Amino acid sequence: GDSVTQMEGPVTLSEEAFLTINCTYTATGYPSLFWYVQYPGEGLQLLLKATKADDKGSNKGFEATYRKETTSFHLEKGSVQVSDSAVYFCALSRAAGNKLTFGGGTRVLVKP
Amino acid sequence: KAGVTQTPRYLIKTRGQQVTLSCSPISGHRSVSWYQQTPGQGLQFLFEYFSETQRNKGNFPGRFSGRQFSNSRSEMNVSTLELGDSALYLCASSPGTEPRETQYFGPGTRLLVL
Repeated sequence: GDSVTQMEGPVTLSEEAFLTINCTYTATGYPSLFWYVQYPGEGLQLLLKATKADDKGSNKGFEATYRKETTSFHLEKGSVQVSDSAVYFCALSRAAGNKLTFGGGTRVLVKP
Repeated sequence: KAGVTQTPRYLIKTRGQQVTLSCSPISGHRSVSWYQQTPGQGLQFLFEYFSETQRNKGNFPGRFSGRQFSNSRSEMNVSTLELGDSALYLCASSPGTEPRETQYFGPGTRLLVL
């Protein structure tokens, strides 16, 4: 079945540091890939997505590129802020029907 | 547009009781999905409804059920609650059912079973 693996956290960084969260997936065909973010006490917010190979999703300084050859969708941000502290989830959607398969989540803590 | 709303936001029940959670999707969205989030199991798909029909179901026991109304609002019901049902239940809506469509999540209902 489909699965998503992402690096375990917590990831602790200083402000303005570079952030990378690795995400790899297993799925047949050509899934759509997503990064969602969850702030404390809230639901999930879409951060970015990519729907076909080599697509780059970007939003709020975050980027991720859909790499079919390595089945990866790593999230990066060049300079993090304290406000980026949250839990980040990588997810895929494959067949018709809105079933998202999530990774385990990565908690990121940015210190001033 | 107003976002996805879920009621109630917090709920405390005891084992053996049943509970109904409600979700109102974004206006114009016809697909509603439900997810369970726990520290141990993470985010797991429960089921998805589109035009009042359940189109997809996750691997949960029959105690978990749902329905969708003609206005796309959805409810999920959990009967005979167990301690392990304590979780954050998230609802998400999207316009249709294409895999590339973004699902928009509500704030969740936090259920505590005592």
